[in-house]
Amino acid sequence: ETGVTQTPRHLVMGMTNKKSLKCEQHLGHNAMYWYKQSAKKPLELMFVYNFKEQTENNSVPSRFSPECPNSSHLFLHLHTLQPEDSALYLCASSQDVGEWYNEQFFGPGTRLTVL
Amino acid sequence: QKEVEQDPGPLSVPEGAIVSLNCTYSNSAFQYFMWYRQYSRKGPELLMYTYSSGNKEDGRFTAQVDKSSKYISLFIRDSQPSDSATYLCAMGGDYGQNFVFGPGTRLSVLP
Repeated sequence: ETGVTQTPRHLVMGMTNKKSLKCEQHLGHNAMYWYKQSAKKPLELMFVYNFKEQTENNSVPSRFSPECPNSSHLFLHLHTLQPEDSALYLCASSQDVGEWYNEQFFGPGTRLTVL
Repeated sequence: QKEVEQDPGPLSVPEGAIVSLNCTYSNSAFQYFMWYRQYSRKGPELLMYTYSSGNKEDGRFTAQVDKSSKYISLFIRDSQPSDSATYLCAMGGDYGQNFVFGPGTRLSVLP
């Protein structure tokens, strides 16, 4: 595997389900990100981790719970979601989060549908 | 006022046309500017990156930044059907500021 991988690619869940999204980066990066992409809206940054520590939580509802066990893996745990949470969830990684520009590399995303 | 504005399209052009994609922004602290290309069912991939004002050319692609007008452009020359994708502009400031993305412009190049 190369780059940034995400599983599953598609997920349909009911509002009472609990599910998890997984992201893995094979680039040796130290920073990882979760974004939400809704139709015709800008990418919304949700969470940022740098060296496994959360450095940003962009006012995300608590029904989204991130986990970063190491610099290569990032999870997004989902529970009691709402239909408006249906979107493409993108994971990205970069060398780190520093004072200079760091290119972000994106995974293919998980298309989430909440019924 | 939204921080980054971008016409969502869709924009349809014939093969071989010159395409102009644009974004405006409001935050004068932005210093670096990116264009991402996103194919259907894929994540965004970085196409071009520029720092501060000026032009940058890479093959058929040219990125322009006009900080005085808070306006950035991406030009695609001799457009190809394989250029059909959504193009996202993104920008950020110094000191680790996270990127701010535009909503993307969906481009279709017709053979």
